[in-house]
Amino acid sequence: GEQVEQRPPHLSVPEGDSAVIICTYTDSATAYFYWYKQEPGAGLQLLMSVFSNVDRKEEQGLTVLLNKKDKQLSLNLTAAHPGDSAVYFCAVVGQGGRALIFGTGTTVSVSP
Amino acid sequence: NAGVIQTPRHKVTGKGQEATLWCEPISGHSAVFWYRQTIVQGLEFLTYFRNQAPIDDSGMPKERFSAQMPNQSHSTLKIQSTQPQDSAVYLCASKNSSYEQYFGPGTRLTVL
Repeated sequence: GEQVEQRPPHLSVPEGDSAVIICTYTDSATAYFYWYKQEPGAGLQLLMSVFSNVDRKEEQGLTVLLNKKDKQLSLNLTAAHPGDSAVYFCAVVGQGGRALIFGTGTTVSVSP
Repeated sequence: NAGVIQTPRHKVTGKGQEATLWCEPISGHSAVFWYRQTIVQGLEFLTYFRNQAPIDDSGMPKERFSAQMPNQSHSTLKIQSTQPQDSAVYLCASKNSSYEQYFGPGTRLTVL
């Protein structure tokens, strides 16, 4: 079945700098892609969703790139601020549109 | 919109006791998902309901775990004879006809 690898596991970012998280998936038929943010003690907050016909999507300081050839999904946090400190998860769902398959998470720490 | 509601937020049980976790999906959402989150296994899919009908329980442990959705406003996850390895954060998500799942804050289950 589908597998999702996520890297790096940890990321320390000075405030104002950018951070990039990359996920690699295995199933070329995967249709929907997501990025979630999890703050301590909280559930998963949906940051952005991308359909497979989109290569790039930007929203509120976040850029998601989808490289279907290499089966890679990336999240770029531009001008990071301390409020961006959290664990970030990528997730994918196949054509059936059912369960999400998650990456292993990236802990982002933004230092002032 | 109150979002997905999960109760209780924290539950502590003794080994062998029963635990029932509750989820109230976003009003109007037709699908409910349950996931489990642990440090070791990460985020794992458990089960999925659509229009209150069980669709996919492929992630549910075969023994001691059961889920129901008796009406469109709530779903329950029941764990009988809880074991220490059941300790985890149990997350509920709901979605409408789109492909975006919205998560509740989770229930942290601790089995002593």
